[in-house]
Amino acid sequence: DAGVTQSPTHLIKTRGQQVTLRCSPKSGHDTVSWYQQALGQGPQFIFQYYEEEERQRGNFPDRFSGHQFPNYSSELNVNALLLGDSALYLCASGTGTGFNNEQFFGPGTRLTVL
Amino acid sequence: GNSVTQMEGPVTLSEEAFLTINCTYTATGYPSLFWYVQYPGEGLQLLLKATKADDKGSNKGFEATYRKETTSFHLEKGSVQVSDSAVYFCALTGSNYQLIWGAGTKLIIKP
Repeated sequence: DAGVTQSPTHLIKTRGQQVTLRCSPKSGHDTVSWYQQALGQGPQFIFQYYEEEERQRGNFPDRFSGHQFPNYSSELNVNALLLGDSALYLCASGTGTGFNNEQFFGPGTRLTVL
Repeated sequence: GNSVTQMEGPVTLSEEAFLTINCTYTATGYPSLFWYVQYPGEGLQLLLKATKADDKGSNKGFEATYRKETTSFHLEKGSVQVSDSAVYFCALTGSNYQLIWGAGTKLIIKP
């Protein structure tokens, strides 16, 4: 049983560009959440998708957007990249929208903005 | 607002030593509390959780008790191993069920 997978592993972009990150949830999971983890810090919640809709959102600008597909996989899009967007982007999957259930994390995508 | 404060690392111990990693929180209502672990080169994994006051979460020899009176959720292990070397994150469910995370504590165990 594959766990949460993310692609790509690493990505290098320049300021102003746009990027798309992808996530496939663990089998049987229907909820996907995205987090940004800066170096040496804890993850920051970006948003959560359930039933193909954004259900919760953290304190991130509209440059950060997402999508969930009928097969529960998800994309995170970031427009007009800033240097400060450089971070590890984590995807987590679970069931339902409550966080009391365990979330399973992928290995992350390391984004570097030059 | 809701927040989590962890002791700063790195914490360096010898094998078989007793471990405590402090975690305190500020929250409205009655959040659930979690410890996650991130081993080198791997994703975050749930280590243990507690959903109400006085609950004790435990897993792989680690324990943490939800203490509402002291707003704490300290992680403990009686005898650490080299394989426990990792970064440990304390977290809680905030408003709208978002996970609020501490900054993480790096643990280094020397043989």
